[in-house]
Amino acid sequence: QKEVEQNSGPLSVPEGAIASLNCTYSDRGSQSFFWYRQYSGKSPELIMFIYSNGDKEDGRFTAQLNKASQYVSLLIRDSQPSDSATYLCAGSTGGFKTIFGAGTRLFVKA
Amino acid sequence: SAVISQKPSRDICQRGTSLTIQCQVDSQVTMMFWYRQQPGQSLTLIATANQGSEATYESGFVIDKFPISRPNLTFSTLTVSNMSPEDSSIYLCSASGGNTEAFFGQGTRLTVV
Repeated sequence: QKEVEQNSGPLSVPEGAIASLNCTYSDRGSQSFFWYRQYSGKSPELIMFIYSNGDKEDGRFTAQLNKASQYVSLLIRDSQPSDSATYLCAGSTGGFKTIFGAGTRLFVKA
Repeated sequence: SAVISQKPSRDICQRGTSLTIQCQVDSQVTMMFWYRQQPGQSLTLIATANQGSEATYESGFVIDKFPISRPNLTFSTLTVSNMSPEDSSIYLCSASGGNTEAFFGQGTRLTVV
């Protein structure tokens, strides 16, 4: 069973702090990893993707991938109340279907 | 990135009836998928919509209940058949160009009464 595991949270951080979201995956064949943000009642929105080991930065977001440990993370710097949402980690194998984690609920307190 | 239009955005249906959800992509895409999201839950893949052949269903989902069409590389439909209240959920269409990220339609919020 190919799985993507996430802590469901909720994760609560104060405004301006760094939020750290973590994800592990079981399929070593997974090649691409994605972080989606989903506001309540809305569709998932892609915020980051990463294919290679290491860090990838985009604005306040940094995705980290460690294929040896089968671990993916998302750091959100200078967290804002508008970042409060559910963050879905997903993995894809060779361009086929994407498997989603259960999501981590993030609350950023003003 | 692909733009995906999904309709209807929401519907309230009587039990025992069927609803067809449409998904239109603004460009040709390799893969199209249908997901279901129960309240407070993550996305569960229903099936992969294959162009020109039968859809590939995940465990727990069958063609008689969720028939899928994909007549070309930009369009797919999902039908929820013989609905019961347990089918009340958000249904999401997704498209991918291959080893790239998946994009989502706006979702269809279905309530079965």
